[in-house]
Amino acid sequence: DAKTTQPPSMDCAEGRAANLPCNHSTISGNEYVYWYRQIHSQGPQYIIHGLKNNETNEMASLIITEDRKSSTLILPHATLRDTAVYYCIVRAYTGANSKLTFGKGITLSVRP
Amino acid sequence: EAQVTQNPRYLITVTGKKLTVTCSQNMNHEYMSWYRQDPGLGLRQIYYSMNVEVTDKGDVPEGYKVSRKEKRNFPLILESPSPNQTSLYFCASTPGQGARGGYTFGSGTRLTVV
Repeated sequence: DAKTTQPPSMDCAEGRAANLPCNHSTISGNEYVYWYRQIHSQGPQYIIHGLKNNETNEMASLIITEDRKSSTLILPHATLRDTAVYYCIVRAYTGANSKLTFGKGITLSVRP
Repeated sequence: EAQVTQNPRYLITVTGKKLTVTCSQNMNHEYMSWYRQDPGLGLRQIYYSMNVEVTDKGDVPEGYKVSRKEKRNFPLILESPSPNQTSLYFCASTPGQGARGGYTFGSGTRLTVV
């Protein structure tokens, strides 16, 4: 699976949009971009994933650049409960082991 | 409610005393996996199972065993726990190989081996 690079941390004000960047310059054609988050020491929570088109669900939006070398997770109206570590993961569906390879992620702090 | 249930949530044990951490999912998922999380090392896969009676090693399998006799259950067994297995453990499941959905994780088991 391709490697991802995320800044270590960022913050945003409550109620504002949080834009979390991720670089994955070595992504291959069959690899999807996934985002998970982990609040304190709880189990990671799936947020969204995409291949090349932008995706939106009730939690967030995922914007993938045309060359697919980077993406941005957007939390449109961040709340204090969105304070967490966010992981950007690139993974293909092929292969026997559907393993997720977690990096260090980005720590998002939402301030009041 | 669709969920992955782990038990216990917290466990303190002594070196060498066999223990089992249970994991159960109610979503009829084929694929299940165990991860451990340690400061500075992130989440690492221990074992995984693609279906009943099909299991294989992940990245850090030493000192652990698993079994998959039923689709819903995937227990993690530490035959002779050691202090270096003190960690936060997570069980996860997903519909199957190639599934395009996300993984569902359990709430975690914090294990301390003294």
